[in-house]
Amino acid sequence: GQQLNQSPQSMFIQEGEDVSMNCTSSSIFNTWLWYKQDPGEGPVLLIALYKAGELTSNGRLTAQFGITRKDSFLNISASIPSDVGIYFCAGHRSNDYKLSFGAGTTVTVRA
Amino acid sequence: DSGVTQTPKHLITATGQRVTLRCSPRSGDLSVYWYQQSLDQGLQFLIQYYNGEERAKGNILERFSAQQFPDLHSELNLSSLELGDSALYFCASSAVGTVDYGYTFGSGTRLTVV
Repeated sequence: GQQLNQSPQSMFIQEGEDVSMNCTSSSIFNTWLWYKQDPGEGPVLLIALYKAGELTSNGRLTAQFGITRKDSFLNISASIPSDVGIYFCAGHRSNDYKLSFGAGTTVTVRA
Repeated sequence: DSGVTQTPKHLITATGQRVTLRCSPRSGDLSVYWYQQSLDQGLQFLIQYYNGEERAKGNILERFSAQQFPDLHSELNLSSLELGDSALYFCASSAVGTVDYGYTFGSGTRLTVV
């Protein structure tokens, strides 16, 4: 089930803006992952984080693994129209067979 | 192409009917996960199979069932369909011991119940 609180639920952004979203949990996670889902497609992995405090970039995307291991952040810089979609955070705890997913942040870009 | 194949891509059926959704995992992946995504909703975990055995169960209705075959493909069976079952159904796969590298998702089956 979903044990991760993801916010905001949705956002409208201006092309060229930097945006942020985050994911929090009451549990400690050993791995944080960020996925993007384009309309009508399956989610695709963007960034994976494995150490507390880790900061990882993938192009205009930057994600951070929170120091407490209970949160993660995703930033998109200089947004463009193709950034439209749903962004999901996911976490993995040791001894768990599966990932836990957040409810998603829907991003819409104003041209 | 993610390597996870789901068929059919679209399915339209009537209430009360039964359908089967099929998933072939990425080559070498032993775990298969099924998710349901209703309109504007998140990913609801249904069930996980590992090498043919059920490993974890989520919010899966009793009208739904799944199995994983010896060749590792998986099928999700939905019966006595209701209008509210209309959704995108995703299959994902992962390799042994690498859940923390993430899942690979298929492109989904869009089920419409009329």
